[in-house]
Amino acid sequence: QVQLVQSGAEVKKPGASVKVSCKASGYTFTGYYIHWVRQAPGQGLEWMGVINPSGSGTNYAQKFQGRITMTRDTSTSTVYMDLSSLRSEDTAVYYCARGNIVGAIKKRTFDIWGQGTMVTVSS
Amino acid sequence: QSALTQPASVSGSPGQSITISCTGTSSDVGGYNYVSWYQQHPGKAPKLMIYDVSNRPSGVSNRFSGSKSGNTASLTISGLQAEDEADYYCSSYTSSSTLDGFGTGTKVTVL
Repeated sequence: QVQLVQSGAEVKKPGASVKVSCKASGYTFTGYYIHWVRQAPGQGLEWMGVINPSGSGTNYAQKFQGRITMTRDTSTSTVYMDLSSLRSEDTAVYYCARGNIVGAIKKRTFDIWGQGTMVTVSS
Repeated sequence: QSALTQPASVSGSPGQSITISCTGTSSDVGGYNYVSWYQQHPGKAPKLMIYDVSNRPSGVSNRFSGSKSGNTASLTISGLQAEDEADYYCSSYTSSSTLDGFGTGTKVTVL
């Protein structure tokens, strides 16, 4: 079935970087955009950015520009989200989510979600 | 910072109907028919309930419906059931590719 499976929980110190993976299966990996969304404890959803798995083009939310990098590996159908210079406010569950068909408008409609990856930033 | 405003909480009794609003601007909700709604139970990933303002994905109950008027979109849950108790978020395409397009979230309580 169509699914996104993410890597496991991470604990990082302030100033470090974290790389979360998202492996797609059950559909054509290069055919759909992949977005990253995070949710701090007790807070709402926050869109971080999107990657085109076909051409590797990216758009990042203004808030994260300079600290975030999204990449993909088509050989393993996996997308990666790298967030650097971590601070305590980055403690959150990070989700990858499938967006629209590549080439179509990047509307914020997410039909398949990963299970989430908890990232804890603590000294 | 969320671009879309939702009420913090909405409640209703079993069998009743409730409506959740999602207010944006002409740069997002009002300008495009690309509003979607998500249901999130505690500790779970969000689930798509409505897309393109009023369309339901396969498998979503027809008790859930969506609409839009001007810069405000709405999600209506009819025949409220205990399992509908969850957080709900709206999302909209925004003409700024770098802005967040999620709503602030609404907690639905079934009395």
